[in-house]
Amino acid sequence: GENVEQHPSTLSVQEGDSAVIKCTYSDSASNYFPWYKQELGKRPQLIIDIRSNVGEKKDQRIAVTLNKTAKHFSLHITETQPEDSAVYFCAASMWTPLVFGKGTRLSVIA
Amino acid sequence: GAGVSQSPRYKVTKRGQDVALRCDPISGHVSLYWYRQALGQGPEFLTYFNYEAQQDKSGLPNDRFSAERPEGSISTLTIQRTEQRDSAMYRCASSLLATADTDTQYFGPGTRLTVL
Repeated sequence: GENVEQHPSTLSVQEGDSAVIKCTYSDSASNYFPWYKQELGKRPQLIIDIRSNVGEKKDQRIAVTLNKTAKHFSLHITETQPEDSAVYFCAASMWTPLVFGKGTRLSVIA
Repeated sequence: GAGVSQSPRYKVTKRGQDVALRCDPISGHVSLYWYRQALGQGPEFLTYFNYEAQQDKSGLPNDRFSAERPEGSISTLTIQRTEQRDSAMYRCASSLLATADTDTQYFGPGTRLTVL
C-alpha cells in the first residue's frame, strides 16, 4: 500500500521568511495530494491540494509543487506569519482513503 | 452550513467496556471515513463508507472494532472490550463524492477516547 514520508518533523522560521515542507510517496498510482493544517486542539483543515495532472498550484501565500517522476511534493509558505504556526500534514491517495504523513510542526517566531 | 459533528467529544471508559462513537457527516455527503489520530501523529485510516455500504475496513485494528452506516448518513464506530491501547482521538470525515481519491475530506472535531 501507499507510504508517505514527511520532512522535517519540526521547523522554526522567523516571521516573514519562507517555509518549505517536503513529502515523498511510494505508490506511483497516487493522483491526489492534499495538505492539511491542524492548530492545537482543532480538527485538520484542508489548505491546498493538487492532482497529478498539475505540476504546481498556488493560493495567495501558499503553493504546492508535485514531481511525479521523483514521487515527491512540497508545500511552500511565503511571508510567514505567527498564525501560520501549526502542524501541517501531507497526504496521498488513489482510489483509496488518504494516507497521511507524520506531520511537521511549524513555529513562526515573531 | 453545519460541518461534520461527532459525539461524544470526550469519552472515558474502563477497560473491558464497549463504546460507541457517533459521526454526523455534512448533509448530502456520500462518503464517510473513520480515522484514528494518536497525539502528534497524522490521522490513520480505519474504514470508510459510500452511502450505507462499507467499502474498505482494512484499517480496523482487530475484530473488536466495527462500524456501520445503516441509512447512509450517521455512522457509528463501536469498540468492544476496550483496552488501554485503544485510547486515542477518533476522527470522522466526509466528502461529497463517492470517489475517495479526488474529493475534499472535511474532518469532524473528533472524540477523545480514554480507556482506564
